[in-house]
Amino acid sequence: EAGVVQSPRYKIIEKKQPVAFWCNPISGHNTLYWYLQNLGQGPELLIRYENEEAVDDSQLPKDRFSAERLKGVDSTLKIQPAELGDSAVYLCASSLAATNNNEQFFGPGTRLTVL
Amino acid sequence: GEDVEQSLFLSVREGDSSVINCTYTDSSSTYLYWYKQEPGAGLQLLTYIFSNMDMKQDQRLTVLLNKKDKHLSLRIADTQTGDSAIYFCAEIRSGYALNFGKGTSLLVTP
Repeated sequence: EAGVVQSPRYKIIEKKQPVAFWCNPISGHNTLYWYLQNLGQGPELLIRYENEEAVDDSQLPKDRFSAERLKGVDSTLKIQPAELGDSAVYLCASSLAATNNNEQFFGPGTRLTVL
Repeated sequence: GEDVEQSLFLSVREGDSSVINCTYTDSSSTYLYWYKQEPGAGLQLLTYIFSNMDMKQDQRLTVLLNKKDKHLSLRIADTQTGDSAIYFCAEIRSGYALNFGKGTSLLVTP
């Protein structure tokens, strides 16, 4: 079974440019998460989807970040415009809502470098 | 928010036991987790423990939970060079949001 797929794996852009990250969760997982991981830190939740609905976006900086999961499967996270401080790894995770332990499966991440 | 605390580095010799400690913040957390992250890879769930348990053993891994002190530990027996990675402790908040520590870098030397 394929795991969580993310692309691109690496992205280098200049500041003020837009950037988008794509995530395909594990088949059948209706819950999808985007996390931000800064260097030397643990991941921090940006947004959580239940199917196509964003049920928690309280930590998403909405002035420049946006996300969508239109059909309740794939998701895209966008930054426009990017700033130097956005350089980090963006992780996508998915889970089955029905599991008791809420095991979240993580993708390999997209490493963003903003110059 | 409050921080989940972990020591940043641990170095052990191959074959020894490793113990990674964590102090979490949310006493209502129903599950506590240990994730492993290898260079350039995403996080892999190693093990978890339900909050009404004191201990869980899974092959070379032993998790101890002290709810009174909000202390969690991960013991890896017979540590191998392939165990070198960053280990994250995480608590669960609001039933779904994982709150991670900063991670402990484990270095296993031959």
